[in-house]
Amino acid sequence: EDQVTQSPEALRLQEGESSSLNCSYTVSGLRGLFWYRQDPGKGPEFLFTLYSAGEEKEKERLKATLTKKESFLHITAPKPEDSATYLCAVQGYTGGFKTIFGAGTRLFVKA
Amino acid sequence: DGGITQSPKYLFRKEGQNVTLSCEQNLNHDAMYWYRQDPGQGLRLIYYSQIVNDFQKGDIAEGYSVSREKKESFPLTVTSAQKNPTAFYLCATQGRGSSGNTIYFGEGSWLTVV
Repeated sequence: EDQVTQSPEALRLQEGESSSLNCSYTVSGLRGLFWYRQDPGKGPEFLFTLYSAGEEKEKERLKATLTKKESFLHITAPKPEDSATYLCAVQGYTGGFKTIFGAGTRLFVKA
Repeated sequence: DGGITQSPKYLFRKEGQNVTLSCEQNLNHDAMYWYRQDPGQGLRLIYYSQIVNDFQKGDIAEGYSVSREKKESFPLTVTSAQKNPTAFYLCATQGRGSSGNTIYFGEGSWLTVV
């Protein structure tokens, strides 16, 4: 069964203090791994899609990487506006378009 | 995303009442999804549909029903059989081919039992 585990559950950083969020997954043939940002009371906002091990994508202060068992979301020199919940999801080739989400990491960045 | 419209934004349900949440998309995407999110929790899959007139149960389908009569629309009915329906409900879509595998979300609907 496809599964996604995110860690830590919550992360508190000082502004400018770089860190990484982890997403461990098991899936029968990875069709795609997705990262989202979610603000309270809003729908998730798309950040990245990764397709194969070794792939990396960047957007402003965020960089996502992928191995065969996990993905990392690296946050470089975060700002208070980066505070949000970051969600990871996987979709496998079996099970059609079924997509499974992790519980998320709540990031707090203090000025 | 701007191409997915969920309504209403806020809905109150009385005990024993069925309610329907609307999800409309103009992205021409084949796949559509309904997720439930409880406070401080991740997203749990209720139902998903890959094409018109076809849908599959997700992990928490009990007490919910859906239909997919049109490509643009995927309404979710929360029935009286769902004993704890108070939650944030999210609709999503996914395209194929040149649009890639990106999954886009609507802004969500809050359902509260009164």
